Amino acid sequence: AQKVTQAQTEISVVEKEDVTLDCVYETRDTTYYLFWYKQPPSGELVFLIRRNSFDEQNEISGRYSWNFQKSTSSFNFTITASQVVDSAVYFCALSEAGAGSYQLTFGKGTKLSVIP
Amino acid sequence: DSGVTQTPKHLITATGQRVTLRCSPRSGDLSVYWYQQSLDQGLQFLIQYYNGEERAKGNILERFSAQQFPDLHSELNLSSLELGDSALYFCASSAGHDWYGYTFGSGTRLTVV
Repeated sequence: AQKVTQAQTEISVVEKEDVTLDCVYETRDTTYYLFWYKQPPSGELVFLIRRNSFDEQNEISGRYSWNFQKSTSSFNFTITASQVVDSAVYFCALSEAGAGSYQLTFGKGTKLSVIP
Repeated sequence: DSGVTQTPKHLITATGQRVTLRCSPRSGDLSVYWYQQSLDQGLQFLIQYYNGEERAKGNILERFSAQQFPDLHSELNLSSLELGDSALYFCASSAGHDWYGYTFGSGTRLTVV
């Protein structure tokens, strides 16, 4: 069975600090997809990134970067020079590619508070 | 606006009642997914429909049911409501063939009192 673990329940940082959110996953499939979503206080789910299991290249998008390591089953997310607007709950999610269903298994989320 | 419309945005009802949550997918999307976000269980997948047919089932209670209509909108029916059913219910839609365009609606917040 697939599982996503986000061990950090809550993190507080001071504005402009860098912060890394950890995500560890479990799956028996060789083909799978990993995601990060942001949920601001308003409640909607904002898509940040999707990565498939064959693409281990790290990705950078502005202040955001992602480090995917299959060897440790981890897909960590780093925010550089954090800002107050980054305050939100961040979810890591996994989907196995089989059976034609694109359902997501989410971690419990990490609540990030950026203090001005 | 994500293109996925969920109504109502908020719903307050009493225990034992029945409610219906509605989801209109993005234009052209054939798949609809329902998720529940509760304090106890976190975000979890409930059920998926593809072009009117049930495609996958997750941790959906027997008191809950869903359907997708010919115009592709979907409804999630929750009956015999309990306090623990209070949650944010999300709908997502996609074309159904891959991850392209997988999009969440803004959710319906259900409060059972």
